[in-house]
Amino acid sequence: GESVGLHLPTLSVQEGDNSIINCAYSNSASDYFIWYKQESGKGPQFIIDIRSNMDKRQGQRVTVLLNKTVKHLSLQIAATQPGDSAVYFCAEMNYGGSQGNLIFGKGTKLSVKP
Amino acid sequence: EAGVAQSPRYKIIEKRQSVAFWCNPISGHATLYWYQQILGQGPKLLIQFQNNGVVDDSQLPKDRFSAERLKGVDSTLKIQPAKLEDSAVYLCASSPDRDYGYTFGSGTRLTVV
Repeated sequence: GESVGLHLPTLSVQEGDNSIINCAYSNSASDYFIWYKQESGKGPQFIIDIRSNMDKRQGQRVTVLLNKTVKHLSLQIAATQPGDSAVYFCAEMNYGGSQGNLIFGKGTKLSVKP
Repeated sequence: EAGVAQSPRYKIIEKRQSVAFWCNPISGHATLYWYQQILGQGPKLLIQFQNNGVVDDSQLPKDRFSAERLKGVDSTLKIQPAKLEDSAVYLCASSPDRDYGYTFGSGTRLTVV
């Protein structure tokens, strides 16, 4: 099975509200996580990353929280805008065989209502 | 900085035909990846290159898929013969190091009919 998954496949929010997208991971040895945004017809776009020696990291309007105890990752988007509508993926760095590569979850579709 | 370039943008072929995709990574990025993204799913790694060497191709269906990265820059991914289940978006990504987030191209959408 996949080692990274999402609790909610779809999320609909009102413009201006805050959005929270959740992700569970199964490999406790993973130490690097990334959130990507993918708009229709485009490749995934890097949003924010976090390493396991941190539990919170903030960017512009986005915050990633990491809870290693329960192997949970979340992406918070403040004051959600229509341009935030997209599919969001969390990805976990897999160091199997010492060659790191990203394992993606299925994604959460965020829809922002004006 | 130019992004990751991929071509073609779209491709429609009949099953059992062959197809090739091309990727030009960001200049100086040593690591290059090919991912397959089936509709409604997250990207799945097919192959990873470090410079011109393969470091992970464990999930590449080697009976029909092949990839190369000559001179450690551009890369091509080939499918021969194609099957209906190969319909997907093929994404190329590059990174300066395996421990950093990747930059993805826009992908090639393949439809096998």
